[in-house]
Amino acid sequence: NAGVMQNPRHLVRRRGQEARLRCSPMKGHSHVYWYRQLPEEGLKFMVYLQKENIIDESGMPKERFSAEFPKEGPSILRIQQVVRGDSAAYFCASSLSGVFQETQYFGPGTRLLVL
Amino acid sequence: AQSVTQLGSHVSVSEGALVLLRCNYSSSVPPYLFWYVQYPNQGLQLLLKYTSAATLVKGINGFEAEFKKSETSFHLTKPSAHMSDAAEYFCAVSRGFGNEKLTFGTGTRLTIIP
Repeated sequence: NAGVMQNPRHLVRRRGQEARLRCSPMKGHSHVYWYRQLPEEGLKFMVYLQKENIIDESGMPKERFSAEFPKEGPSILRIQQVVRGDSAAYFCASSLSGVFQETQYFGPGTRLLVL
Repeated sequence: AQSVTQLGSHVSVSEGALVLLRCNYSSSVPPYLFWYVQYPNQGLQLLLKYTSAATLVKGINGFEAEFKKSETSFHLTKPSAHMSDAAEYFCAVSRGFGNEKLTFGTGTRLTIIP
């Protein structure tokens, strides 16, 4: 039973380029969360999605960042016109059905480096 | 708003010694508390969680944590450290209403001395 998959594991971009991070939740999971971990900091919530819906994007920067979780395929976190401050580890987590007290399962993360 | 504070960004213990990692929380509602472990270049793995049932929670790999409301604490312990316990440990809190975002502490890196 495969866990949460994220790719790429490492991504290097130059300033101004676009970064696309993909997350495939565990089989049967329909809820996805994205978190960002800046160097020497804890994980910070960015966005919570269900299939085809954004439920909570209160942690998402207002500009350049977007997320989607289509009916088919992985969830995508997209960062346009990357800047050096976007360098971080981005983690995706998934859960089964969104019920009370459910565990979130984390992927291995994508390490983004902006040159 | 909810938050957690992890005291000590780095903790070193000798193999076989007691492990104690500290976490204090702040919450306006009864919290749901979690400990996750992160091994190098891997994702986070749930060690244990407190969801208002028992105050002493047992997790995987011999870890346990005790919820103390009077001290607003949820410290993680293990009686005898093993080399394989070397990792980064994160405490997290949520409100637990439906499926909620987690608010994490800044983490504690645990080093085991042979």
